[in-house]
Formats: sequence, structure tokens, C-alpha cells
Amino acid sequence: NAGVTQTPKFQVLKTGQSMTLQCAQDMNHNSMYWYRQDPGMGLRLIYYSASEGTTDKGEVPNGYNVSRLNKREFSLRLESAAPSQTSVYFCASSHTGELFFGEGSRLTVL
Amino acid sequence: GQSLEQPSEVTAVEGAIVQINCTYQTSGFYGLSWYQQHDGGAPTFLSYNALDGLEETGRFSSFLSRSDSYGYLLLQELQMKDSASYFCAVREPTGANNLFFGTGTRLTVIP
Repeated sequence: NAGVTQTPKFQVLKTGQSMTLQCAQDMNHNSMYWYRQDPGMGLRLIYYSASEGTTDKGEVPNGYNVSRLNKREFSLRLESAAPSQTSVYFCASSHTGELFFGEGSRLTVL
Repeated sequence: GQSLEQPSEVTAVEGAIVQINCTYQTSGFYGLSWYQQHDGGAPTFLSYNALDGLEETGRFSSFLSRSDSYGYLLLQELQMKDSASYFCAVREPTGANNLFFGTGTRLTVIP
């Protein structure tokens, strides 16, 4: 049972570069989420998708875009990376309220 | 808006009991959840309280008082592997089960 799979696990970018974080879940969940985690800040919601075909902004959406490609996949794109986007990114999915998280993607922007 | 307050750090002795408190202010309340996260790992679900009272799952229990906007996580018979960060979270009223997380309590279990 893979659960929630994120790629890449680690990435180093230069300021201004773009990249996409991929996320896939095999639990047939309707809802998917992207959170970022910074030291002392807990987990903050970037974007979420309540169901296939819909996406909505969370608490900290600036500088990011998302795509709910199908029910399984939810990607997060940084169009022009900034040092403030250095963080650990977690994808999660949910059906009944309990969130299942991927292992995280550690992104460093120089 | 939402706000959650929990202690930043707690230290307890192996075999003891520890309580991690969480107070919240929310626009609408849909339940309080607890998640555990080991260093370098992903958050994992521990418990959920929608109604007042105590929920028990093995060595872990969670309590909620909606009238006091307060909950706690109780860990009994502490083990070294319980050293981790613990987050309380409230469900946001979006219909998508979004969670708003507290900043976490780092629990250190000492021998």
C-alpha cells in the first residue's frame, strides 16, 4: 500500500527557477492538499482540492499554482522560486476527515 | 480566523504520563484532531474529537471541552519512541476537511 507518494524528496533551486512537486494517492480519496512546514510555524495550507476538477487557495497560496490532474494526482508548481519558499512540502489526502500525508519534499531555494 | 495555542516544548520521564494542552479560537467548530510527527517524518493521525469528552486509543487519549475551547492529548506509560512533535488541528468549514494546525509541541522523553 503506497498511500501518498511525493516526488522529488529533495530539490535545490536557484532563485527564479521553476519546478513542480508531484503527488499521487492510491486510496481513492476525493480531497487532496498541499502544506508547507517551516520551523516553529507548524503546517500551513497552500492549496487544496475538494474533488477532481476543483482547487482552492489556502492560507499561504502566493507564489504557487496547483493542478488536480485527476482523482489520484495533485501537483504544486513554483513558477519563479524565491528563498522564502525554502521549506518542507507535504502533500496529503483525505476522505472522511483523517489526513494521510506523504513523506515530504525538502526544497531549498538559493 | 483560526488560532491554536499549545506549549512549544514538554519534557517527561519514561513510564510517566504527560498532558499536552491545546486552546483554540475558531469561526465555527468542526472538531479537534491530534497528529504526531517524528523528526524527518510525516505527520500521522492520532485522534479526533468532535464532541465533548474523552477518546481513548491504547496509551493515547484525547479530551475535548467545546465550552472551554480546550482540548488535550494524554500520553500514558511514556516510551522513548514517543519523543516527537504533537500538533493539534481544527477542521476548517470548507467542506474539504481542511485542517488548520497549531505550531506543535515537541515532546522529549528522558530515561
